[in-house]
Amino acid sequence: DVKVTQSSRYLVKRTGEKVFLECVQDMDHENMFWYRQDPGLGLRLIYFSYDVKMKEKGDIPEGYSVSREKKERFSLILESASTNQTSMYLCASCKPRLAVEQYFGPGTRLTVT
Amino acid sequence: SQQGEEDPQALSIQEGENATMNCSYKTSINNLQWYRQNSGRGLVHLILIRSNEREKHSGRLRVTLDTSKKSSSLLITASRAADTASYFCATDAKAYSGAGSYQLTFGKGTKLSVIP
Repeated sequence: DVKVTQSSRYLVKRTGEKVFLECVQDMDHENMFWYRQDPGLGLRLIYFSYDVKMKEKGDIPEGYSVSREKKERFSLILESASTNQTSMYLCASCKPRLAVEQYFGPGTRLTVT
Repeated sequence: SQQGEEDPQALSIQEGENATMNCSYKTSINNLQWYRQNSGRGLVHLILIRSNEREKHSGRLRVTLDTSKKSSSLLITASRAADTASYFCATDAKAYSGAGSYQLTFGKGTKLSVIP
């Protein structure tokens, strides 16, 4: 059974804190993605990675960075969390081919107070 | 900018009825996918239709694609209470190349409520 796991389901952090969200997949996928989901805005791509140590900016990379040191793990980093980063964060992975589905993790609901 | 836009934003039907959701997009695509999300959870892939296909079936799901109108529809027949969820369309973009080819752009979703 294929699996994408995320380190936390719920997370509460204070403004200014450094936040790490981790995603691990066991499907040997080259591509991994971080999205944020907000009511009325749908899913928006923050960053994606197509190989170890490779990353590409998505539509809303400002305020975020990522790390991909191992193929199975993709981390999203909020250098200095702000209240407007309160959101649901979703990680996904897929093979590097067209016409393939993305497999999603369960999501991390982050609240920044 | 966001490609897919679902319509309606919310839909409420009785169990046993059919549910139809629509998706419109802006630029040429290779594929269009539909995903489902139960409340507060991750997305699950339902079905993929390629740009050279017009219709595809999977169980109680029927997807159509009209590339001339840049639109797709998802039909769920004989709905059940367990179909209550949000449904998203996602498109790639023919214009992207290399690693960018694998990006999907998601719409804002249709929230379906099936009343027992």
